[in-house]
Amino acid sequence: QVTLKESGPVLVKPTETLTLTCTVSGFSLSNDRMGVSWIRQPPGKALEWLAHFFSNDEKSYRTSLKSRLTISKDTSKSQVVLIMTNMDPVDTATYYCAREVGISWGDAFDIWGQGTMVTVSS
Amino acid sequence: DIQMTQSPSSLSASVGDRVTITCRASQSISTYLNWYQQKPGRAPKLLIYTASGLHSGVPSRFSGSGSGTDFSLTISSLQPEDFATYYCQQSLNSPRSFGQGTKVEIK
Repeated sequence: QVTLKESGPVLVKPTETLTLTCTVSGFSLSNDRMGVSWIRQPPGKALEWLAHFFSNDEKSYRTSLKSRLTISKDTSKSQVVLIMTNMDPVDTATYYCAREVGISWGDAFDIWGQGTMVTVSS
Repeated sequence: DIQMTQSPSSLSASVGDRVTITCRASQSISTYLNWYQQKPGRAPKLLIYTASGLHSGVPSRFSGSGSGTDFSLTISSLQPEDFATYYCQQSLNSPRSFGQGTKVEIK
């Protein structure tokens, strides 16, 4: 059974750095045409894709947040880590990790974690 | 970056209605378009991949179509469990992007 689980702090202060970990099971981060993305959703708002780490070691970031984001993976631990610096109250959101897999000729997020709510407040 | 725009932002419909949601990309994305359903407090679920492929376990009343810049998701006969928010997402290139969502509410 494929699962993803997010972990990290529930509350961070403005200007602090957020570190989120996605622990996966049921598949390998080194599988071909497979990767993990981080996606967030502010309360009552739409989904925002943040970053991904794909099987060919491709990394990509949301353009508007590129300077604040770092994604990395530890295949031996089956973990993908997202670091976001200089947190602001507007970064308050539920943060999801999702498996991105090759389906047909495209890629899609087929399995999602349950999400972790992060509040930015002093 | 590719921008995705959905319409309408919300709609009211009754059980049994045929519902269509549209999604437009800011540039051609061929058929690299996915659809997701999200219910309150839950993670999104994949419904449709590459514009028209029905994901495993998704009821056949859901269908997708389109190519290039214009796409649609149709629910042929709305069921009570279909009241949710729907998102389109492009997978042509990175950065990935989602539409702003369409909330389907009970009339």
